[in-house]
Amino acid sequence: DAGVIQSPRHEVTEMGQEVTLRCKPISGHNSLFWYRQTMMRGLELLIYFNNNVPIDDSGMPEDRFSAKMPNASFSTLKIQPSEPRDSAVYFCASSLLGQGPYEQYFGPGTRLTVT
Amino acid sequence: ELKVEQNPLFLSMQEGKNYTIYCNYSTTSDRLYWYRQDPGKSLESLFVLLSNGAVKQEGRLMASLDTKARLSTLHITAAVHDLSATYFCAVVESSTLGRLYFGRGTQLTVWP
Repeated sequence: DAGVIQSPRHEVTEMGQEVTLRCKPISGHNSLFWYRQTMMRGLELLIYFNNNVPIDDSGMPEDRFSAKMPNASFSTLKIQPSEPRDSAVYFCASSLLGQGPYEQYFGPGTRLTVT
Repeated sequence: ELKVEQNPLFLSMQEGKNYTIYCNYSTTSDRLYWYRQDPGKSLESLFVLLSNGAVKQEGRLMASLDTKARLSTLHITAAVHDLSATYFCAVVESSTLGRLYFGRGTQLTVWP
């Protein structure tokens, strides 16, 4: 299995631009999680989906952030417009709820820099 | 909201020494996870502890869970430089939702 796949791995953009981060979960997993990691705030859960349905988006910082999961094998996290304070590493993770230990597997992350 | 506290947050230890990282959480949970993160890398799953009294070992690391005390420990035996990393514990509030609550992480540095 290829694991969780994220793209791009690095993104540098200017303030005000739209940024789209992409995630492909592990095949067969039914839950997907978007996290943000910074030195100041640590690891924060932004939103998560179960069976492609958003369950909890209370961690999304503000309306500039949006996430979609149109099917079981793809999710996007969009920031529009981006701001310098959005600079962070964004991780996507997936797991299989309903069976086993519900372990979350993390993707390699997208390092976002907004100038 | 479930709170997860790790201590210490920073740990500097000499090779060959033993030490324990502690993870406390605020509400009932029967699932606890330990992850490792190397600098600039992603989180890698180390242990999944699913019941009270569970103990798991991998090399020089041993994790245990006491659900009654709401406490997990990660014990390091005879530390080596390769163990230098940040270690996170995480707890799930409800198995049906699968959301993990993470501690702040313990940054471990092992020096010769």
